[in-house]
Amino acid sequence: GAGVSQSPSNKVTEKGKDVELRCDPISGHTALYWYRQSLGQGLEFLIYFQGNSAPDKSGLPSDRFSAERTGGSVSTLTIQRTQQEDSAVYLCASSFRRDTGELFFGEGSRLTVL
Amino acid sequence: AQSVAQPEDQVNVAEGNPLTVKCTYSVSGNPYLFWYVQYPNRGLQFLLKYITGDNLVKGSYGFEAEFNKSQTSFHLKKPSALVSDSALYFCAVRDLNRDDKIIFGKGTRLHILP
Repeated sequence: GAGVSQSPSNKVTEKGKDVELRCDPISGHTALYWYRQSLGQGLEFLIYFQGNSAPDKSGLPSDRFSAERTGGSVSTLTIQRTQQEDSAVYLCASSFRRDTGELFFGEGSRLTVL
Repeated sequence: AQSVAQPEDQVNVAEGNPLTVKCTYSVSGNPYLFWYVQYPNRGLQFLLKYITGDNLVKGSYGFEAEFNKSQTSFHLKKPSALVSDSALYFCAVRDLNRDDKIIFGKGTRLHILP
């Protein structure tokens, strides 16, 4: 597709379950970011992938959170043993490094933990 | 390390009046600066960027931003506000020393009063 695609758009889960959120970046984009946004608040940085470099995981809030990016394209954010405070919109963004760095955002995955 | 600050959580402006949303940054080297907007229940959209050249940058929806190197600022402006400009605005900077990572400010909520 032409834009960044995220799935699912909505996910409701029970506390303690694991969830996976998927991001399909724009083809050819080497940089990929995950952010979390609660109730229309600011962007909380989670993780940053840039080409073949080691990912910047400095924003992951706990070891229950992990992310991978396979083949330099699709990324999956996994949250294990979900907690109610994990409820938020998870945003993915991508960019092509060799330009001026404008980010293209997906519509987000809204996670609700009951 | 580069960072970006948005000193105002919220800005209220009457419709038709000029608006300013403030952003300051700290960088090593020349800054790459961006503004993004998030309308209610929508994803983030790129507004404008400063890379080099003219200090006044024009972007989407009639917005512009002025790069001021001596004050390390990149304030977003619009001559005449519309109610439809009400949204959450984010300033961002590209950290050339951290693998080109884009760092966001915490956001400023703009309310345009009819």
